[in-house]
Amino acid sequence: EDKVVQSPLSLVVHEGDTVTLNCSYEVTNFRSLLWYKQEKKAPTFLFMLTSSGIEKKSGRLSSILDKKELFSILNITATQTGDSAVYLCAVRTNAGKSTFGDGTTLTVKP
Amino acid sequence: GAGVSQTPSNKVTEKGKYVELRCDPISGHTALYWYRQSLGQGPEFLIYFQGTGAADDSGLPNDRFFAVRPEGSVSTLKIQRTERGDSAVYLCASSLQSRGQGVTGELFFGEGSRLTVL
Repeated sequence: EDKVVQSPLSLVVHEGDTVTLNCSYEVTNFRSLLWYKQEKKAPTFLFMLTSSGIEKKSGRLSSILDKKELFSILNITATQTGDSAVYLCAVRTNAGKSTFGDGTTLTVKP
Repeated sequence: GAGVSQTPSNKVTEKGKYVELRCDPISGHTALYWYRQSLGQGPEFLIYFQGTGAADDSGLPNDRFFAVRPEGSVSTLKIQRTERGDSAVYLCASSLQSRGQGVTGELFFGEGSRLTVL
């Protein structure tokens, strides 16, 4: 059975702090790993990673994948209150199925 | 439409009743997914369609749950004899395609249908 585990489950920081969110996985026929941000209802896409060691970056967010150790991290630098959300990690197989972790709830205090 | 549309946004029903939840994906998206999300948990996979056929229905919890996508566009998730444990937000997502190169494979989610079984 495909499995995605995220840590920590929740995190509280102050504006300006840097955070690292973790995602480990066990899946057959791995295709890609995706990060999503869920603020209220619908998760929205952040990054897709398919190759080890190549960092994806978008503003203050960045992510990297290690296919040997089966994990990914999502970094957020200089956090802002608007970064408060649930961050979801999902692993997609060659067959097209996406399995999600339980997410990390990030709270950024002013 | 511009995004994935789900109806109803909220549904309150009594234990034992039948419910239908509808999803209208982004036009041209061939892959459609149903997930269930309970408070404090990530989306739990239920079923995914590629076109009209169910490519993987391994997540449907039991035979009370059924989903269709007869014309390869709109999908309906059907739940018979609802139980209190079925209460959750049911998320639908669509994707341009589930196989092949040159696409990110990202899922575009609807706002969800919140089901409450009393």
